[in-house]
Amino acid sequence: GDSVTQMEGPVTLSEEAFLTINCTYTATGYPSLFWYVQYPGEGLQLLLKATKADDKGSNKGFEATYRKETTSFHLEKGSVQVSDSAVYFCALSDTRTYKYIFGTGTRLKVLA
Amino acid sequence: NAGVTQTPKFQVLKTGQSMTLQCAQDMNHNSMYWYRQDPGMGLRLIYYSASEGTTDKGEVPNGYNVSRLNKREFSLRLESAAPSQTSVYFCASSVRGGGEQFFGPGTRLTVL
Repeated sequence: GDSVTQMEGPVTLSEEAFLTINCTYTATGYPSLFWYVQYPGEGLQLLLKATKADDKGSNKGFEATYRKETTSFHLEKGSVQVSDSAVYFCALSDTRTYKYIFGTGTRLKVLA
Repeated sequence: NAGVTQTPKFQVLKTGQSMTLQCAQDMNHNSMYWYRQDPGMGLRLIYYSASEGTTDKGEVPNGYNVSRLNKREFSLRLESAAPSQTSVYFCASSVRGGGEQFFGPGTRLTVL
């Protein structure tokens, strides 16, 4: 079945460092891909999305490109801030069943 | 515009007790979802409702029932709570299946 694998955390970075969180997927068909962010004590909120191959999603300085050839959707940010500390989830939506499949989440901690 | 609301925020149950988690959205969304979040396991889909009047099982439906009361409301019922159901429960909604999901703030449930 469909699945999402993302790098285990926690990831600890200094402020202004470059961030990469890896995400790979397996899916039949052509899923849409998402990154969600969860701040402490809150629900998830959409960070960015891409609906077809080679699309780049971007928001708040974060970017991710839908790579069909490598089945990846890695999250990147050029310069992280303390306020980016959160848990990040990669997800795909199954185009046949419309169910979402989430990765296990990667905790990011940014130190001042 | 409150988005997705959930009640209660916290709940402690004894093994065997029953309870209903309430969820409502005011965005006129068609699809609604219930997830549980456990450490190291990401979000797992319990049940979803693609549209008013329909419900389907997700990845972990055992021990739960749902009711799509109307387009706004989607409740989750635990008939006989077990310690394995200790978790954080999130409700979410989307305009249509497979699109961006909007999450509620969660219910933290402890079963003793």
